[in-house]
Amino acid sequence: DVKVTQSSRYLVKRTGEKVFLECVQDMDHENMFWYRQDPGLGLRLIYFSYDVKMKEKGDIPEGYSVSREKKERFSLILESASTNQTSMYLCASSIQPRGLAETYEQYFGPGTRLTVT
Amino acid sequence: QKEVEQNSGPLSVPEGAIASLNCTYSDRVSQSFFWYRQYSGKSPELIMSIYSNGDKEDGRFTAQLNKASQYVSLLIRDSQPSDSATYLCAVPDRGSTLGRLYFGRGTQLTVWP
Repeated sequence: DVKVTQSSRYLVKRTGEKVFLECVQDMDHENMFWYRQDPGLGLRLIYFSYDVKMKEKGDIPEGYSVSREKKERFSLILESASTNQTSMYLCASSIQPRGLAETYEQYFGPGTRLTVT
Repeated sequence: QKEVEQNSGPLSVPEGAIASLNCTYSDRVSQSFFWYRQYSGKSPELIMSIYSNGDKEDGRFTAQLNKASQYVSLLIRDSQPSDSATYLCAVPDRGSTLGRLYFGRGTQLTVWP
C-alpha cells in the first residue's frame, strides 16, 4: 500500500511566522503535489514536483514555496504566514505518467489543518 | 485550464436507494477518470478509476463513462449511511506529462437511515 505521511495533523501559527509543512512518501513515486482545500473552493493545486529539485507552479503559488531535496520528501513553506492561509493542506504522490491511464492515480496523505492567528 | 464540473448537491438519499453522482469535463481527449471519496475531516481516498467507454463495476459502485458526451458518473447501489461523504471527480491533464489531475469541487452525499 502507498503510504503518504504529513508531519502534523494540526498546526497553529502566528501571522508572520515562517511555516514548514513536510510530506513523505514511501513508494518511490516521482511526482508529489501540495494542495489546499477550503469549503466551497475544492482542492486547489499550490505546487508540484516531478523530480528531485524540480518544481512547477500550480494554480495558487503566491505566498508559498517548496523544496524537494530527496525523492521521498516534499516540503511546503509559507514564507510569512497570513490569516488567509488558514486551510487544510493536503500532500499527494503519484508515479510518473507513462502513457497509461492508471499512472495518473494520486494518493493523499492525511492532511494538515493549519490555523494562522 | 481544464474544467471539471460536478452536480452541486448536497445530495440526500435514503438507505438502500441508488445515489447518482455526475461529472462533466471540458477536455475531449481525456482518457481516464477518477472518483475519490472524502469523509469529513479526512483526506481524499481513491475508490474508482475508469478508462474506457461503458460501465465499470466494483461491488456496490458503478462508474459510467460516455466520452462522446464528456460525462462520467458514479452510481452507488444499496446506499449505506457509511457512504455519506463528499465525492470528487478528477481528470488528468493529458496536455502535460507531469501527472497533474484536475478536480471537481465535489458533491456532498448524505445517506439517511
